[in-house]
Formats: sequence, C-alpha cells, structure tokens
Amino acid sequence: DSGVTQTPKHLITATGQRVTLRCSPRSGDLSVYWYQQSLDQGLQFLIQYYNGEERAKGNILERFSAQQFPDLHSELNLSSLELGDSALYFCASSTHPIPVNEQFFGPGTRLTVL
Amino acid sequence: GDSVTQMEGPVTLSEEAFLTINCTYTATGYPSLFWYVQYPGEGLQLLLKATKADDKGSNKGFEATYRKETTSFHLEKGSVQVSDSAVYFCALTPTQGGSEKLVFGKGTKLTVNP
Repeated sequence: DSGVTQTPKHLITATGQRVTLRCSPRSGDLSVYWYQQSLDQGLQFLIQYYNGEERAKGNILERFSAQQFPDLHSELNLSSLELGDSALYFCASSTHPIPVNEQFFGPGTRLTVL
Repeated sequence: GDSVTQMEGPVTLSEEAFLTINCTYTATGYPSLFWYVQYPGEGLQLLLKATKADDKGSNKGFEATYRKETTSFHLEKGSVQVSDSAVYFCALTPTQGGSEKLVFGKGTKLTVNP
C-alpha cells in the first residue's frame, strides 16, 4: 500500500459526459501528479500540482482540468468525453524538498467511455 | 524532448533464468533514472533509482547502472522468480523544465514460468 488513494476504482460512462477523479496523496506529500496510461500512448504525464498551485503541464487536453485543494487532495475533471479517453488514470505524490524524485502511485481509476 | 526507449516485450523466461531489460534515454544534462514495476491490477512501485553517472541502483535482487557514456540504464537480475512476473517501466526525471514529472518508456511485460 503506497498510501495514495484514488476513487473511484472503476468508472463507466458515455461519450459527451463529464467525470471527476479524486486523489488523496500520502500524508505530508505536497506534490500531486496525474498520469494517463493507455495501450497506444503508454504512460503519459498530464499535470502536476504543488501545495495548491499548478507546477507543470504535460500532454493534457483542454477538455481536462485539475485542481489541488487546501487539504492537498486533488481532482481531475474530464469533460466532453470521447472513446479515446478510455484509459487508466494514475495519481502519484511526492514530498518536497526532494533530493531524489520518488513518486508514490495510487492504484488508479479505470475509465471506460462507451 | 526527453524520452526513454526500452526493449519491446513480452519477455518470457523460466524460473532462475537471467534477466536483462534494455533501457536507453535521451535527455539534456543529468536526469535521474528509475525503474518502476507494475504488478497485475496494481499501481506502479519504485523498484530502484540512480541519480548520477556510474551510480548503481539495487533492490530485491535487481540492479541497474547509470551509464552516461551510453545513455543507458539496463535492468538485470541473476535469477528470476515466478513472483517477478510484472510490467517493468524505465523512467527519467528531466533536469530542465521546473517539474519533477516522470517520462516513461513503453514498458516491458515479463512472464516467468515455473
């Protein structure tokens, strides 16, 4: 158990819909990262938050957005869903300052868009 | 941009066989290098890491050496077990860009037969 929790574990929805994925980092971790894992694209970095502020953006679509709340949990919002958004979405967290960037991953949310 | 290339899988071995999974990277400066492992139905776990040239990371019988001259970080284990069956990801953290994001290879699926 990494100490990172993600809900829900599975999500099935239809095209055009909007969903919210939730992540609680390990106690004391200030950084949260979101990654998407799909068969064709592999594991891709989406976005990073540090202590409530956006720190870096990767290949995140404009239909996707995220935020980190004062209690440090984070939510990833996916809207106008398309079939190609079906994937595993992982959240990871890490401490700061970090001499070496060890990220702890949650179990993931499997999103299926029908 | 920064990238990681690892050998295509799947890899199938018998128990007690020697394992090598090749990984090479492209990055500016001196990135930190990682191997993560993903067991079926679970999130990623850090297996080992190295932060500078000639560093050797090791854990659970697995080893990898940071080779700057060949930009490689090959994973090795002298005697694999059935319990090592998983997907292995090579990854790096770029030294530029202001983010601690992980850039992953596509993963190598290992199956160890008894």
